[in-house]
Amino acid sequence: SQQGEEDPQALSIQEGENATMNCSYKTSINNLQWYRQNSGRGLVHLILIRSNEREKHSGRLRVTLDTSKKSSSLLITASRAADTASYFCATDTGNQFYFGTGTSLTVIP
Amino acid sequence: EAGVTQSPTHLIKTRGQQATLRCSPISGHTSVYWYQQALGLGLQFLLWYDEGEERNRGNFPPRFSGRQFPNYSSELNVNALELEDSALYLCASSLLRRSLSPNYGYTFGSGTRLTVV
Repeated sequence: SQQGEEDPQALSIQEGENATMNCSYKTSINNLQWYRQNSGRGLVHLILIRSNEREKHSGRLRVTLDTSKKSSSLLITASRAADTASYFCATDTGNQFYFGTGTSLTVIP
Repeated sequence: EAGVTQSPTHLIKTRGQQATLRCSPISGHTSVYWYQQALGLGLQFLLWYDEGEERNRGNFPPRFSGRQFPNYSSELNVNALELEDSALYLCASSLLRRSLSPNYGYTFGSGTRLTVV
């Protein structure tokens, strides 16, 4: 299956620390996106990185993409309690979006 | 601008019944996607509609069906409900897939939580 997998499944850090989560996928993609989900609600689009890009920033978010390894990472710097949520990567193959299994991030105040 | 709206927010049904979930995309979006998120699991792709037609379907039985109306809103129907159908059903909309923009991405609704008892 194309579905991506996030690593780790769960992450707990202190406020102010950085959080890094990884996503691996299986086939060629057009782009990869990261989403956030709070408490079983709808997902919020965070950032998109195209297959020909290697790194992208948006505020406290930094995303990297390594197409040779079929992996991506999401770094959240200077984390806040409000960052507590589940984070999903989604890969766009041009025909379909596949979501990963998610990383549950807990930021402890 | 109104976001993606889903109704109802919560739905409780008895095993064997039918459930109908509704989704209204963002104005101007022609593609609607349905995902199932069972408790503790990732999002499983159900259906993709664009311009009124079913474009792709996930690995779900035929009792999961839907349609897209001329105004691009969509319905997801689940027949012969089973206990394991209990999940959060999320709808997302997007611009035409070929109309990529730098911030292209799905916009999700808040979901319908379906409970089958």
